Order: sequence, then structure tokens, then C-alpha cells
Amino acid sequence: DAGVTQSPTHLIKTRGQQVTLRCSPKSGHDTVSWYQQALGQGPQFIFQYYEEEERQRGNFPDRFSGHQFPNYSSELNVNALLLGDSALYLCASTLNNNYGYTFGSGTRLTVV
Amino acid sequence: GEDVEQSLFLSVREGDSSVINCTYTDSSSTYLYWYKQEPGAGLQLLTYIFSNMDMKQDQRLTVLLNKKDKHLSLRIADTQTGDSAIYFCAEGRDDKIIFGKGTRLHILP
Repeated sequence: DAGVTQSPTHLIKTRGQQVTLRCSPKSGHDTVSWYQQALGQGPQFIFQYYEEEERQRGNFPDRFSGHQFPNYSSELNVNALLLGDSALYLCASTLNNNYGYTFGSGTRLTVV
Repeated sequence: GEDVEQSLFLSVREGDSSVINCTYTDSSSTYLYWYKQEPGAGLQLLTYIFSNMDMKQDQRLTVLLNKKDKHLSLRIADTQTGDSAIYFCAEGRDDKIIFGKGTRLHILP
């Protein structure tokens, strides 16, 4: 049984560009959350999707947007990339906010 | 504020017990978690405790919760080299998880 899968694993983008990161939740899970982990920091909550709607959002600008598809997979989009957006982006899934969040291995985004 | 606080570093001799401490902010948090992160990897859920519990033991791991002081600790018995990682304390609140900055556990031979 596959856990949470994220793609790509690594990505290098230039300032001002746009990026899309993808996440497939663990089988049976319907809720997807995205986190940003800067170097040396703990993960910070970006937003959560349930039933294809953004259910809650953390303290991130509108440049960060997302989507959830009918098969529960999700995308994270970041527009107008800044150097400070360089981080590990983690996706976590659960079954409608059961305590059991499962995290993927993340996508490491480098903005140059 | 939303901060979960934990010390940044801990060094322990192999075979000894490791104790990682954490303070959290919201007494209404339902679940409290310990996650492990190895270099270049994602987060692995080690254990969790429901807020109405005082203690939970799972093999080498013991979690203690002092709800009055909002203090959480993780004890790893018989620490091994494979335990070397960053350990994150986290609280579950309002459909999200709030993480501390992590404690880097270094194992001395």
C-alpha cells in the first residue's frame, strides 16, 4: 500500500517563475494538507483541502494556491517565486481529520 | 502566539536514555505528536498522545504529558545510532498541526 507520494522530488526555478507541486494521498485518505519547511525550521501549515475545497489556510500570501481533484490528489501552485520560497514542501494526508496524518517525503524547491 | 518550543540540540551516549522536552501553547489541542525526520527525508510519525492522557508507552518510547504546564516529553530508552535524527514536537489544533523547530539528537559512541 503506497503512502503519500509527491512529485517531483527536487526542482530548481528562477525568481518570478511559477511552480506546481503534486501530491497523491495515501490510499483511503480524503484530506490533504500542505506544509512548507524552510531550512532549520519546523514545517509551517500552508492550507488543507477536503472535498475539493480549501478548508483552512495558514499565514501564507495569495501567491500560494492549491487544488484538490475528485480522486483526492492535490496540487500546490506558487506564483511569482521569491528566493525565500526555497524550502522542502511536504504533503500530508488523513481521513477527514483523523489524528493519523501521513507525510510524504517532500519536494525540495530551490529558487535561484 | 502559536509557538511550540523545544531545545535545538541534544547529545546522548549510545545505550543511555534520551529525553526531549517541549512546551506547547494551546490547552485545547486534542492530540500531541512526536515526529522524526532523518536527513533528506519526510516526517515519520513516532507516537502521539491524546490530550486526556498523562502517559503513553510504545516499546522504547515513553511520552509524558503535563497538561497543566503544557509540557510534553519524549523518552527514548537504550538510544541507538539509528535514533540520530531531528525530533519534532507538534500539537494538533483546528484541522492543522503546529510544529516546533525540532531537536537534533546526536548519538555519542
